[in-house]
Amino acid sequence: QSVLTQPPSASGTAGQRVTIYCSGSSSNLGYNSVHWYQQQLPGTAPKLLIFSNSQRPSGVPDRFSGSKSGTSASLAISGLQSEDEADYYCASWDDSLSGWVFGGGTKLTVL
Amino acid sequence: EVQLVESGGTLVQPGRSLRLSCAASGFTFEDHGMFWVRQAPGKGLEWVAGISWNSGTRGYADSVKGRFTISRDNAKNSLYLQMDSLRLEDTAFYYCSKEGVGPFQHWGQGTLVTVSS
Repeated sequence: QSVLTQPPSASGTAGQRVTIYCSGSSSNLGYNSVHWYQQQLPGTAPKLLIFSNSQRPSGVPDRFSGSKSGTSASLAISGLQSEDEADYYCASWDDSLSGWVFGGGTKLTVL
Repeated sequence: EVQLVESGGTLVQPGRSLRLSCAASGFTFEDHGMFWVRQAPGKGLEWVAGISWNSGTRGYADSVKGRFTISRDNAKNSLYLQMDSLRLEDTAFYYCSKEGVGPFQHWGQGTLVTVSS
């Protein structure tokens, strides 16, 4: 059971907008930033998509956006493309655990 | 270009020890905190350990505390993970990661540790 809760799956058709949610608590998302990662295939290197709730690293398309409110966060992908099919993870620092925690991951399928 | 190359993963028996290494290049290693993150087969990502730029601060997940030790050698641009008393549930891909604009900004390709008798 992950400290951060994500739906196991999400889907959308090409061109659509899809939102992936991440739920936490006051010890993590309540007071700390959320970061999002994309992993194309299990066992391959993940990629930082969004940091500090809503910032995109250089090179990440603006189709990806993030937000946080209270103890919940979301990652939105607009203009869905086939190459967006991947696993997406949220992460945050947890003050109670004094460590980093990840969500269980959401597998995005592009129909 | 940032490069992180892990090594040391192999098949090991329960209770034994293993040391993973991560060779870093393409950035000033001594300026950045570093992490180990793992992923069991078919499972999600799990933070294992982190270390500050000067080794002054180290942190561990509860699942490995007391068994794993993270260390670094800034002169050799290398990060290490000493894993003792290995358990079946430690079987995973182990990734070396570097902090940047956010945590875990850059990742290596991973090294597979299989704990089995």
